[in-house]
Amino acid sequence: GNSVTQMEGPVTLSEEAFLTINCTYTATGYPSLFWYVQYPGEGLQLLLKATKADDKGSNKGFEATYRKETTSFHLEKGSVQVSDSAVYFCALIKPGTASKLTFGTGTRLQVTL
Amino acid sequence: DTGVSQDPRHKITKRGQNVTFRCDPISEHNRLYWYRQTLGQGPEFLTYFQNEAQLEKSRLLSDRFSAERPKGSFSTLEIQRTEQGDSAMYLCASSSSVNYGPYEQYFGPGTRLTVT
Repeated sequence: GNSVTQMEGPVTLSEEAFLTINCTYTATGYPSLFWYVQYPGEGLQLLLKATKADDKGSNKGFEATYRKETTSFHLEKGSVQVSDSAVYFCALIKPGTASKLTFGTGTRLQVTL
Repeated sequence: DTGVSQDPRHKITKRGQNVTFRCDPISEHNRLYWYRQTLGQGPEFLTYFQNEAQLEKSRLLSDRFSAERPKGSFSTLEIQRTEQGDSAMYLCASSSSVNYGPYEQYFGPGTRLTVT
């Protein structure tokens, strides 16, 4: 079946540090890949997406590249801010369907001054 | 576009009671999804509608759970004879097969259920 594995958190960084949150997936074919973010007390928000190999999704300074050869979709940001503190979820949708997102367990990011 | 809304935001109930949650999707979205999220975990898929048709159900959706989307707009999720293990955040999401894509799902704020 399809699955998503994320690095365990919490990840604690100082403001302006470089961020990487690792995500790898297992799926047949070419799934669509997503990063969602959940700020404290809020619902899930779509952060970025990529639909085919070598696509790079980007938004709000975050980037992730769809790597078919390593089945990875790592999230990166060059300089984090305190306001980026949240839980980040990597997810996939099975290719050729319109149905369920399969999520990883989430990685909590804490950014301090 | 007011986003996906869910009601209520919080529900506390006693074991054995029935509860019903409502989701109003983004108005032009024809697809609607229900997920369940427990503490420290990612959301897990429960069921999916395209218009009024329920097209997929997870094995997580026991016979105590039922979902409807009678007119292809809002949806309800009912849990009968609640158990303490039903305590979770219930999330609704919607998407469009036409204007957005591919398959971007937009989530509501969730309904937090606590079964005592």
